[in-house]
Amino acid sequence: DAKTTQPTSMDCAEGRAANLPCNHSTISGNEYVYWYRQIHSQGPQYIIHGLKNNETNEMASLIITEDRKSSTLILPHATLRDTAVYYCIVRGINQAGTALIFGKGTTLSVSS
Amino acid sequence: KAGVTQTPRYLIKTRGQQVTLSCSPISGHRSVSWYQQTPGQGLQFLFEYFSETQRNKGNFPGRFSGRQFSNSRSEMNVSTLELGDSALYLCASSLAGGTYGYTFGSGTRLTVV
Repeated sequence: DAKTTQPTSMDCAEGRAANLPCNHSTISGNEYVYWYRQIHSQGPQYIIHGLKNNETNEMASLIITEDRKSSTLILPHATLRDTAVYYCIVRGINQAGTALIFGKGTTLSVSS
Repeated sequence: KAGVTQTPRYLIKTRGQQVTLSCSPISGHRSVSWYQQTPGQGLQFLFEYFSETQRNKGNFPGRFSGRQFSNSRSEMNVSTLELGDSALYLCASSLAGGTYGYTFGSGTRLTVV
């Protein structure tokens, strides 16, 4: 079973920041938080991952709480092309061969 | 650089037949994973290969099998197809066991009639 809990759906206006929350209260010390998204009928796309520090790349920012029990993915200026299902996954960093366990994710709808 | 290539994109098969799907990973990636996606069960892990060896297998019946070749290309086979095998089959490759993320292909849409 997935070790994360996400809201089923969220809406966001184009140009505004989209903040997607994820709860992972049972995360262990050697597990990272990964975010993927899946646009309709395409394969999932890796977005970002982090351990305990906040992370930023060209796609998004990841904010992890100090106790690591929750995190937020931030898309700073959402566009219509960001409409997708977003998956939050916890996984050990050195667990080669360990599967990604996908939950149901959050369906983000960006509208103009 | 080229992404993960899956062939064919679409496939229609009859119950009882078998099917082989192909995945070419990103050049240099030695790890290949397979996932099944259905509306009811979501994304589920099938198996992962590294350097021609299966490292992990999901909870699927023995009708589902796979292999990896020396050039890292991978195939998965489903024998004695059932209607419930209709799904999007996704392949993902990675450089370091997924540490820095997996790159997924666009998938093969299999329909069993």
